[in-house]
Amino acid sequence: AQSVTQLDSQVPVFEEAPVELRCNYSSSVSVYLFWYVQYPNQGLQLLLKYLSGSTLVKGINGFEAEFNKSQTSFHLRKPSVHISDTAEYFCAVTDSSTDSWGKFQFGAGTQVVVTP
Amino acid sequence: EAQVTQNPRYLITVTGKKLTVTCSQNMNHEYMSWYRQDPGLGLRQIYYSMNVEVTDKGDVPEGYKVSRKEKRNFPLILESPSPNQTSLYFCASSQTGLLTDTQYFGPGTRLTVL
Repeated sequence: AQSVTQLDSQVPVFEEAPVELRCNYSSSVSVYLFWYVQYPNQGLQLLLKYLSGSTLVKGINGFEAEFNKSQTSFHLRKPSVHISDTAEYFCAVTDSSTDSWGKFQFGAGTQVVVTP
Repeated sequence: EAQVTQNPRYLITVTGKKLTVTCSQNMNHEYMSWYRQDPGLGLRQIYYSMNVEVTDKGDVPEGYKVSRKEKRNFPLILESPSPNQTSLYFCASSQTGLLTDTQYFGPGTRLTVL
């Protein structure tokens, strides 16, 4: 079984500053990793995912994440945030031995608050 | 417009009164799933369905039932709701259930059980 830990429950950041959201996972098998964003009063949207290939993954809205197998991490970064990036961000993992969405583990979420 | 819809969006009910939360998608997706979201716990999967008449338990299925009689609909049934089922519920769907497909989430249903 896999599990996901998001190390920060809330991250305050000033507009145009960089932000990093930390995600660590534990698993006895290879994994696929995801980041989702949830804007206020909305469902989740996929930001990016790592299935294979390059460990640096670029997503929508200027976000990117790096898969680090040795440190079992998948941290999300953005070099310059906007007010509109205020949202909750979720890291998620699933077992790569399956190719389906059947079993999916989410982290507890990190609330990003961007202030002017 | 391609979307996942849920009804109702908000519901307050009492312990033991059966309820159904509907989920419908208009994208002809095979895979559908239900999650609950609780503060500090993130999202946890309740049930999922890989296709019509094919359903399976997620991590927290106790107290819930689902059915998949049509491809577009995947209702979540609480036969005897209890206060610990107070939560925010999300339905999701994807084309084939494969990880190469994107999951689309509905807007959520906020349920309060008194």
